[in-house]
Amino acid sequence: SSELTQDPAVSVALGQTVRITCQGDSLRSYYASWYQQKPGQAPVLVIYGKNNRPSGIPDRFSGSSSGNTASLTITGPQAEDEADYYCNSRDSSGNHLVFGGGTKLTVL
Amino acid sequence: QVQLQESGPGLVKPSQTLSLTCTVSGGSITSGGYYWSWIRQHPGKGLEWIGYIYYSGSTYYNPSLKSRVTISVDTSKNQFSLKLSSVTAADTAVYYCARKSSGDWVDPWGQGTLVTVSS
Repeated sequence: SSELTQDPAVSVALGQTVRITCQGDSLRSYYASWYQQKPGQAPVLVIYGKNNRPSGIPDRFSGSSSGNTASLTITGPQAEDEADYYCNSRDSSGNHLVFGGGTKLTVL
Repeated sequence: QVQLQESGPGLVKPSQTLSLTCTVSGGSITSGGYYWSWIRQHPGKGLEWIGYIYYSGSTYYNPSLKSRVTISVDTSKNQFSLKLSSVTAADTAVYYCARKSSGDWVDPWGQGTLVTVSS
């Protein structure tokens, strides 16, 4: 089991706002990063650090954190945002990298 | 723009050693502040960190795989490599190489290569 916990699946109506969460004790000390993965493709970084977007990532993607929970918010998701989303950070020891189990986002 | 590309056999026999190489282009593997990483994804499953290496040779491994994993770097070729020994069918996965920042985000990723363990 992962030290970062994500809901397996989330659905959202087109144009609404969706929040995908990632929980873990290490998130009290370390930022989470977020990745989007579409079928048959490599993951793509969408949020890193406090709330930073790599070049080319739409501004409808944002990140936040409170206590042991990090969140990825998609404001007004589009059909092309349907994908698996993973968080990553350090483990509780702070010595190793760990990924959340992933959340499958369905855009209705 | 840095790009990474995995290469190596797509089929490995049980009990043998899986060997993959990642070639880095568009930038130097000796760039400070980055750690060169291997991550895998079992079919239909989530991402699993295997380990990473700094250009100086310092390595960090997933404790669950540490006894079987070796990651090395060849700065002259701008490459780093993964060796996973005593493989079983449970090691069948897509293996990604990627660059990890000092802030722990991973970007960019290679396209991934499927390695199947089967006799």
